[in-house]
Parts: sequence; structure tokens; C-alpha cells
Amino acid sequence: AQSVTQLDSQVPVFEEAPVELRCNYSSSVSVYLFWYVQYPNQGLQLLLKYLSGSTLVKGINGFEAEFNKSQTSFHLRKPSVHISDTAEYFCAVIPTDSWGKLQFGAGTQVVVTP
Amino acid sequence: ETGVTQSPTHLIKTRGQQVTLRCSSQSGHNTVSWYQQALGQGPQFIFQYYREEENGRGNFPPRFSGLQFPNYSSELNVNALELDDSALYLCASSLAGTGSNYGYTFGSGTRLTVV
Repeated sequence: AQSVTQLDSQVPVFEEAPVELRCNYSSSVSVYLFWYVQYPNQGLQLLLKYLSGSTLVKGINGFEAEFNKSQTSFHLRKPSVHISDTAEYFCAVIPTDSWGKLQFGAGTQVVVTP
Repeated sequence: ETGVTQSPTHLIKTRGQQVTLRCSSQSGHNTVSWYQQALGQGPQFIFQYYREEENGRGNFPPRFSGLQFPNYSSELNVNALELDDSALYLCASSLAGTGSNYGYTFGSGTRLTVV
């Protein structure tokens, strides 16, 4: 069985400041890792994913994440946020031995203020 | 790319009724998954269809059922609606098999309210 824990339910941040969203997972098998963003009243948009290779993954809109296997973490970062980054962010995993079911964390609400 | 479209966008139903939600997959995608997202929570996997066959199911009762059609559009049916079924229902399509990179494309969802 797998579980995904997003350590912060809400992260307030000032515009142009850096932000880090924390994600930890537990799994008995290797996993693929994902970060999605959800803007109000919309579906999910993929920010980035880790399948294999370099543990530092760059995504869209200036986001990046680092996979740390020993700490079972996949934290998301952005060096300078914009008002438009205000949204809900979800970390998710797919076990490598599965047929592709995404398992999501509870989400982190990012609120960017001027 | 045509993206994933879902209909309707909003729906209000009475407890005990039945509902059908529809999803049109992204062109070329052979797999569709459905998720339920309750208010303030992450999406929960309902089931997945690959080439018109269900190939995975989450912890949802049998009154949640689905269909996938040859053109890769799909339906989610929920019978005997309960108040707790109120949620945003998301459809996601992907290409499974050789060449899959787990590139799920999500629709904007159907907001179901059960009263």
C-alpha cells in the first residue's frame, strides 16, 4: 500500500518570495512521482513528474522538484512566486508495479499576496 | 491536441436518483480514469478503463459504474445517490502501453451536488 503526505495544508507567501511545498510518501515498491496544480473551479494540470534519471526535475511555470529516495520525499520549489501561482497543489504517486492509478495527497493551498 | 472535455459542468440531483457524467478523452489516448474530489480533499481514484475494459478499481461501491466506448469517450454512472456523493468528478485520459509516460490529461470536472 502507498500513502502520500503533504505536510502543509496552507502556505502563505509574498509575491516574488520563494516557496517550498513538502511531500513525503511511503510505499513498499518504487514509485513514480508527480506534482499537479489546480486553479479555482478547474481540473488538474501537471507541473512536473519524476519517472527515472536525474533527481532534480524541472517543470512548467518555473517550478522544480527534487526526488530524495532515502527520505522518501519529493518537495516542490519555486524561487520567486507570482500572484497567479495562487492555487491548490497536489503531490501524487504511481507504484511502478501498478497499472497507473494515481494516489494523491490532501493538497497544499498556496496563497500569494502582494 | 483536443484535450479532455467533461459534461455537464454542474449538476444538482436528489438523493436516491441516478446520474451519468460524460467524458471525451484526448485524441489518441486509450485509457480513461475517473476520480472523485470531495471539498478540501485530494482526488480519490474510482476506476480506470483500458480499451473498453475496466482494469482497476478503487474503494468505491458497485453503484459506481462506468463505460468506455470505441471512440474512447466514457461515462461514469452513479446509482442511488447519497449526500456524500457530492463532489467534483474528474476524468483523466492517458496513453497506456508501450511509450506511456504517464502523461495524464485531466478535464475540468463535473461538480455534482446531491440534495
